[in-house]
Amino acid sequence: ETGVTQSPTHLIKTRGQQVTLRCSSQSGHNTVSWYQQALGQGPQFIFQYYREEENGRGNFPPRFSGLQFPNYSSELNVNALELDDSALYLCASSLVPGPQETQYFGPGTRLLVL
Amino acid sequence: GDSVTQMEGPVTLSEEAFLTINCTYTATGYPSLFWYVQYPGEGLQLLLKATKADDKGSNKGFEATYRKETTSFHLEKGSVQVSDSAVYFCALSVSSGGYIPTFGRGTSLIVHP
Repeated sequence: ETGVTQSPTHLIKTRGQQVTLRCSSQSGHNTVSWYQQALGQGPQFIFQYYREEENGRGNFPPRFSGLQFPNYSSELNVNALELDDSALYLCASSLVPGPQETQYFGPGTRLLVL
Repeated sequence: GDSVTQMEGPVTLSEEAFLTINCTYTATGYPSLFWYVQYPGEGLQLLLKATKADDKGSNKGFEATYRKETTSFHLEKGSVQVSDSAVYFCALSVSSGGYIPTFGRGTSLIVHP
């Protein structure tokens, strides 16, 4: 069974640029969630996708957007990068959506915005 | 909005000591409660969960009981090991117009031999 994978592992961008982060869900999982984890903080929920549609969104501006593909891989896009966007971005998949479901996390992509 | 409050770390213990990490929450709905653990250099993984009041989640010697009356989900282990050194995150999730999970800030545990 393949776990959740993310790419790239590290990324450096400059303020104002755009970035795309990628995630491959665990086999058989049709739900993916994205989180932002600042240094020393807990993960902050960005949004969740289920069957290619957004199923919930946290308190993040519209410049954070996502896509989920039929093969259940997904992308997180961030436009107009700001210095505060520097963080670890985590992807997590689950079998189905729902508050009781266990999420399986990937190792994360560390983004640095200069 | 929903929130999770964990005790500040780091918590430093000697091997075989008793562990408690406090977690309290506020939620608008009826949440499910989770403890996730992040070992050094690894991603978060589920440690245990409870989905209704008075449920006890348990795994690897860790336990936590869903206390609705005190809105708490404290993590306990009777005898910690050096290998338990990690960051522990308490989390809740509710379904309110979509899925909304909330994590605490994490508590670092350091266990000395």
